Amino acid sequence: ETGVTQTPRHLVMGMTNKKSLKCEQHLGHNAMYWYKQSAKKPLELMFVYNFKEQTENNSVPSRFSPECPNSSHLFLHLHTLQPEDSALYLCASSQQQGGNQPQHFGDGTRLSIL
Amino acid sequence: GNSVTQMEGPVTLSEEAFLTINCTYTATGYPSLFWYVQYPGEGLQLLLKATKADDKGSNKGFEATYRKETTSFHLEKGSVQVSDSAVYFCALSAFSGGYNKLIFGAGTRLAVHP
Repeated sequence: ETGVTQTPRHLVMGMTNKKSLKCEQHLGHNAMYWYKQSAKKPLELMFVYNFKEQTENNSVPSRFSPECPNSSHLFLHLHTLQPEDSALYLCASSQQQGGNQPQHFGDGTRLSIL
Repeated sequence: GNSVTQMEGPVTLSEEAFLTINCTYTATGYPSLFWYVQYPGEGLQLLLKATKADDKGSNKGFEATYRKETTSFHLEKGSVQVSDSAVYFCALSAFSGGYNKLIFGAGTRLAVHP
C-alpha cells in the first residue's frame, strides 16, 4: 500500500477537454513532484513544490497547470492537450526538497489523448 | 552536467540466474545514488541507496556499491526470481538550481522466465 495516492488511474480525453489529476500523500512530507513517463524516454521532472511553494517548472507547456493547496495535495490541471502528451503521469513526495531523502511515488495516472 | 547512463534492455534471464545491470553517472560534487524498481502497473519504489563512496546498498537480495573511481553503481542479484521482472531505474541526487534533485536513467527492463 503506497502512501501516495493518485486519481484517476486511467484517463482518456479529447484535445479540447479540461480535466485534473489528483495526488494525495499520507506520509507527512513537505515536497511534492510531478513527473511524466513516456515510452522509451527517461523520466521527466515537470514541477516541484516545497512547503506549498512552486520551486521548479521544468519548461513545461502552459497547457499543464499545477496547484498545491497544502503539503498533502497536488493537482495537475490539463487543458487543450496534444497527442504527444499521452503518457503515465507520476506524483512523488519526499520529506523536503533538499538533502538526500528518497522520493515516494504513487502508481500514476495513465493519460490518453484522442 | 549531471546524468545517468544505464545498460539498454531488455535483459532476459532464467530463474536463479545471476543479474547485473550496469549504471554509470556523471556529476559535480558528491551525489547520493539510488536504484528504483517499477513493477507492471505501478509507480517507482525505492530499492536501495548509497550516500557516499564505497557504501553498499542492499535490499531483497539486490545490492550495489558506490564506486567513485569508476563512477558506477551497478545493480546485482545472485539468483533472480520470476517476481523480479520489472523495470529498474538508476538515479542520482545532485545539487542543481539551489536544491537537490533526482536525475534518472532511462530504465532497464528485466524479464525472468521460469
